[in-house]
Amino acid sequence: AQSVTQLDSQVPVFEEAPVELRCNYSSSVSVYLFWYVQYPNQGLQLLLKYLSGSTLVKGINGFEAEFNKSQTSFHLRKPSVHISDTAEYFCAVRTLGGGADGLTFGKGTHLIIQP
Amino acid sequence: DGGITQSPKYLFRKEGQNVTLSCEQNLNHDAMYWYRQDPGQGLRLIYYSQIVNDFQKGDIAEGYSVSREKKESFPLTVTSAQKNPTAFYLCASISRSGSNNEQFFGPGTRLTVL
Repeated sequence: AQSVTQLDSQVPVFEEAPVELRCNYSSSVSVYLFWYVQYPNQGLQLLLKYLSGSTLVKGINGFEAEFNKSQTSFHLRKPSVHISDTAEYFCAVRTLGGGADGLTFGKGTHLIIQP
Repeated sequence: DGGITQSPKYLFRKEGQNVTLSCEQNLNHDAMYWYRQDPGQGLRLIYYSQIVNDFQKGDIAEGYSVSREKKESFPLTVTSAQKNPTAFYLCASISRSGSNNEQFFGPGTRLTVL
């Protein structure tokens, strides 16, 4: 079975500062990796995904993430945040070749942008 | 526009009542999922269905039931056996063909037990 750990439950950041949201996973097989964003009382929206190929993945809203297989990490970064980035961010994994049982999610990181 | 709809957006239930949450998708996706979200807990899988007339229990299926009579629809019933049903419920779907692997989510239903 796989698991996902998001190391920070809350991350406060000043507007226009850079941010990194950390995600580590464990799995005995290869995985697909995802970052989703959730605004209050809404569903989840895909930010970016890593399936294969280049380990640096670029997503929407200026976010990017880097897959590090040796450290089993998939940290999310943005060089300059905006007030509108305030939201809950979820890292998720899905095993290759299967996945009938859906995604495994981390517990989420609440990104708080301070003016 | 294709997507997933969930209704109602807010639902109130008295203790001892069964309630059914609707999930409909027009993405022609084969697989559908129900997740429960609690503050600080992330999302936990309740049930999933890979094909019509077939479904499987997820990690927290107790007190819930589902049906999959049509490809487009995957309703979730929260029964009176679910001891703590107050939560935000999310429905998702994914295509089983191709290599996209992206789960699409509905807007959610917030269930409150009075």
